[in-house]
Amino acid sequence: QVQLVQSGAEVKKPGASVKVSCKASGYTFTSYYMHWVRQAPGQGLEWMGIIIPSGGRTSYAQKFQDRVTMTRDTSTSTVYMELSSLRSEDTAVYYCARVRTVSTSATKYYYVDVWGKGTTVTVSS
Amino acid sequence: DIQLTQSPSFLSASVGDRVTITCRASQGISSYLAWYQQKPGKAPKLLIYAASTLQSGVPSRFSGSGSGTEFTLTITSLQPEDFATYYCQQLNSYSGTFGGGTKVEIK
Repeated sequence: QVQLVQSGAEVKKPGASVKVSCKASGYTFTSYYMHWVRQAPGQGLEWMGIIIPSGGRTSYAQKFQDRVTMTRDTSTSTVYMELSSLRSEDTAVYYCARVRTVSTSATKYYYVDVWGKGTTVTVSS
Repeated sequence: DIQLTQSPSFLSASVGDRVTITCRASQGISSYLAWYQQKPGKAPKLLIYAASTLQSGVPSRFSGSGSGTEFTLTITSLQPEDFATYYCQQLNSYSGTFGGGTKVEIK
């Protein structure tokens, strides 16, 4: 079955970087876009960016433009999200999320159909 | 980035009530909108995509409408398992902003 398995919880100090992985299985890795989404404690969902595994193209939310890097390794069907210059406000659960595309004669629609279980990142001195 | 504003951010309702949640986009997004339900400690679950298409397996009491800048999610007869937080998300090939969420609690 389709699965997104994320790496384990991380504790980092302010100013450090964190790299979270998301290993896909059960489908053709390069056929689906992947989002990264985070959720701070008690807060809403926040979209961070998207990576297209087939070619590695990325697009990031303006808020994270200077601090986030998303990459992929097609040989292991894994996407990565690295966030640098961490601060306490980056404490959150980070999710990878597979994007499904539905094509009509006129356009394409997208939605997230599979989520990873989330990786808790705690930033604390 | 496109901004999505959900309202209300919180609502209190009873089992059997009809509930409507609104999502407004800062610019026109055609029908590129999805709705999700999230329960505490869980990843979100897809309810609606393309603004009004019900995801397979989702009860028919959920419906979505709208296009352009204004969208609604309606639950026609609220059930105990529907008490959760609901999010809208606009998606295209390069972005995927979420609304701030609407928490639906038991009155």
